[in-house]
Amino acid sequence: AQSVSQHNHHVILSEAASLELGCNYSYGGTVNLFWYVQYPGQHLQLLLKYFSGDPLVKGIKGFEAEFIKSKFSFNLRKPSVQWSDTAEYFCAVNRRGSGYSTLTFGKGTMLLVSP
Amino acid sequence: EAGVTQFPSHSVIEKGQTVTLRCDPISGHDNLYWYRRVMGKEIKFLLHFVKESKQDESGMPNNRFLAERTGGTYSTLKVQPAELEDSGVYFCASSRNTGSSYEQYFGPGTRLTVT
Repeated sequence: AQSVSQHNHHVILSEAASLELGCNYSYGGTVNLFWYVQYPGQHLQLLLKYFSGDPLVKGIKGFEAEFIKSKFSFNLRKPSVQWSDTAEYFCAVNRRGSGYSTLTFGKGTMLLVSP
Repeated sequence: EAGVTQFPSHSVIEKGQTVTLRCDPISGHDNLYWYRRVMGKEIKFLLHFVKESKQDESGMPNNRFLAERTGGTYSTLKVQPAELEDSGVYFCASSRNTGSSYEQYFGPGTRLTVT
């Protein structure tokens, strides 16, 4: 079975600090990788995704993530966070293939950015 | 286009009562998913509809949960009778096509509290 581990449950940063949120997954086959974000009072929305190709993917709002296959990792980064980045961030995977779409999520990381 | 909507946003019921949650997917999306997040835990898959058919219901916790998708449009998730451990946030998501590479769009969730 697939599983996803997010390293930090709560992160507190000051504005302009750099961010890196860790995500490791466990699965023996080929996966697609996702980061979702839930801003306060809003829906879960897709931040970025990796299917294949360049392991460094860029998403919305200046976020990027790097897939390191040998480490089963897909860490999320942002060079300089803003107060508006305060949200809960979820790493997720699904099994690659036409018949597979169910997402397996990590427990989430709550990011608080102080102005 | 209108997003995924869920009703109600909050529900507080007593143990043993029945609750029905509703999800309206994005128009034209054949795939509809239910997920649940129990407090402090990860978001977990419950089931997946393709049109009106249940593609995968491996995540349904027990037979107190019944999901339907009449006519392949909106879906309902009934919990009968509700137990304390059913408390959590129930998310619905939809996607246009079946397959791991298609983005799932999430609704705002229904927060269910069983007392």
